[in-house]
Amino acid sequence: GQQLNQSPQSMFIQEGEDVSMNCTSSSIFNTWLWYKQDPGEGPVLLIALYKAGELTSNGRLTAQFGITRKDSFLNISASIPSDVGIYFCAGLANKAAGNKLTFGGGTRVLVKP
Amino acid sequence: ETGVTQSPTHLIKTRGQQVTLRCSSQSGHNTVSWYQQALGQGPQFIFQYYREEENGRGNFPPRFSGLQFPNYSSELNVNALELDDSALYLCASSLVAGAHNEQFFGPGTRLTVL
Repeated sequence: GQQLNQSPQSMFIQEGEDVSMNCTSSSIFNTWLWYKQDPGEGPVLLIALYKAGELTSNGRLTAQFGITRKDSFLNISASIPSDVGIYFCAGLANKAAGNKLTFGGGTRVLVKP
Repeated sequence: ETGVTQSPTHLIKTRGQQVTLRCSSQSGHNTVSWYQQALGQGPQFIFQYYREEENGRGNFPPRFSGLQFPNYSSELNVNALELDDSALYLCASSLVAGAHNEQFFGPGTRLTVL
């Protein structure tokens, strides 16, 4: 079945740093979504990408839909303490197939002590 | 605009019991998807309901079943609970006729099976 490999699994950030994470797949997706999940809550949609090569920003967040349609990355610029959480990529293969989202394993963003 | 809501927030059951989880979709959305999220992992797709019918299913056994009601709210039922069913159960709603079908998640129900 489809699998999304997300890396890194975890990272430590210092306030003001830029951070980057990515997601790769063995199959093609038509839509890439990036979510953030805080403890005890459901995932919150950050950015949606619909077209290969698309680069989209949402405040300090920037994400790109890879040209091959098998990968995507998310950048966070000038990180702040509230950026801590778990970030998930998710791919949607075929809208007609029923909106099944396939999720990566998540990138846990932590603050450097 | 009302977001996705789920009930209950937490639930403890014993092995072999049955459980029903509930979800109210975001205002204007006609599709509900259910996901299981084990600790430390990404959500796994269980199934989706559109217009009161199942519209896609993941790799979950038949003891996981669901319903969607005319107001688009939904239930997830799990029979013969097993220890491995302990997880966060997430519901997401979307508008299937919409251009992009983004899914918006509720806060989840934390199920513990003892």
